[in-house]
Amino acid sequence: GQQVQQSPASLVLQEGENAELQCNFSSTATQLQWFYQSPGGSLVSLLSNPSGTKHTGRLTSTTVTKERRSSLHISSSQTTDSGTYLCAIDRFSSGSWQLIFGSGTQLTVMP
Amino acid sequence: DAGVTQTPRHEVAEKGQTIILKCEPVSGHNDLFWYRQTKIQGLELLSYFRSKSLMEDGGAFKDRFKAEMLNSSFSTLKIQPTEPKDSAVYLCASSLRGEQYFGPGTRLTVL
Repeated sequence: GQQVQQSPASLVLQEGENAELQCNFSSTATQLQWFYQSPGGSLVSLLSNPSGTKHTGRLTSTTVTKERRSSLHISSSQTTDSGTYLCAIDRFSSGSWQLIFGSGTQLTVMP
Repeated sequence: DAGVTQTPRHEVAEKGQTIILKCEPVSGHNDLFWYRQTKIQGLELLSYFRSKSLMEDGGAFKDRFKAEMLNSSFSTLKIQPTEPKDSAVYLCASSLRGEQYFGPGTRLTVL
């Protein structure tokens, strides 16, 4: 089965509302990253948060390793936050750690 | 610091052609990854290098895909021969201690 599952698949908000994105993973992870991808753009790493809570700007990530879940909270959303948010965990394979990505949450923030 | 650079940004190929995509990782990063991204499959790992050694050759992608890392600052991904189903965005990423940084990607269209 899919190792990283994200929900919701898509989310539409009015500007100023908060967003809560979820990531559940099926195996233990020592690395968990949240990425942002603008439409047609590349991936930008937002937060690396294998456990606990981390803040950066309007973003807060909380990862509960034992429960194999992580959330990304976006406060006071802006239209420029629109895009795809991807969660990724590491997997040990071929003697090294690699990232496994979820299918993403498509966020649209309306003006 | 320069991030990960990829060239070309766009490539259009006829079915059966050989194409070569290029990537320059962040200076000093040991690990380099090639991914393919499509709407249906999401992000799929094609190849992974650690200190120029090939650690993962992508299993199902071995057939027509060949990644090489000629030196620590340059990698290529060759697709030969191309097929229409190869149309996708090809992303290169590098990392030093687990956190991956992505290039802008190459959008490949195979006619």
